[in-house]
Amino acid sequence: QLQLQESGPGLVKPSETLSLTCTVSRGFISSYSWSWIRQPPGKGLEWIGDIYDTGSTNYNPSLKSRVTISVDTSKNQFSLNLASVSAADTAVYYCARDIIGHYYSWGQGILATVSS
Amino acid sequence: EIVLTQSPGTLSLSPGERATLSCRASQSLDSLSLAWYQQKPGQAPRVLIYGACSRATGIPDRFSGSGSGTDFTLTISRLEPEDSAVYYCQQYDSSPRTFGQGTKVEIK
Repeated sequence: QLQLQESGPGLVKPSETLSLTCTVSRGFISSYSWSWIRQPPGKGLEWIGDIYDTGSTNYNPSLKSRVTISVDTSKNQFSLNLASVSAADTAVYYCARDIIGHYYSWGQGILATVSS
Repeated sequence: EIVLTQSPGTLSLSPGERATLSCRASQSLDSLSLAWYQQKPGQAPRVLIYGACSRATGIPDRFSGSGSGTDFTLTISRLEPEDSAVYYCQQYDSSPRTFGQGTKVEIK
């Protein structure tokens, strides 16, 4: 069964860039699209953006100016960079496989805290 | 952006009872483009329903989805204690993908 695992620093300073990686195992990253979704503590879910195996991306307009999602098919990984972070970006970040727009497989999530 | 509004905010019911959760979209959706998720504390969401009414693999048949246009419903026919969770709807009719704010189901 497909497995996804987020990795990256749990603590980021304000104004810096949050960088996370999702490693896909027991399956191939090619021929699918992949998403990042976040959830602030105690709040609901927010779609950040997605990337297709071709490298084509879509971003949430609310974050578009600060977000970059990339894919490395050789490593079976895709990544999220979120620039100029503030406390409002503190959240659990999930990676997920997009199946025609809904999310069937999820990582366990990683808490990223923005604090000096 | 399509806004999804879920109601009620919290549902408190006894085991064996029927739960009806609502999700209303700010504009009409293609009926194939709505999903429901269950999220338990400390866990990632799990897809229950996609395409408004198709059960995901391994989901018990007490979970069912219905609706079209702007009004969608998730029904849990006979609540089990393990159904205590927050339930989210999500639309994928257009970008950006959006989620409802969630309905918390409590089991008495």
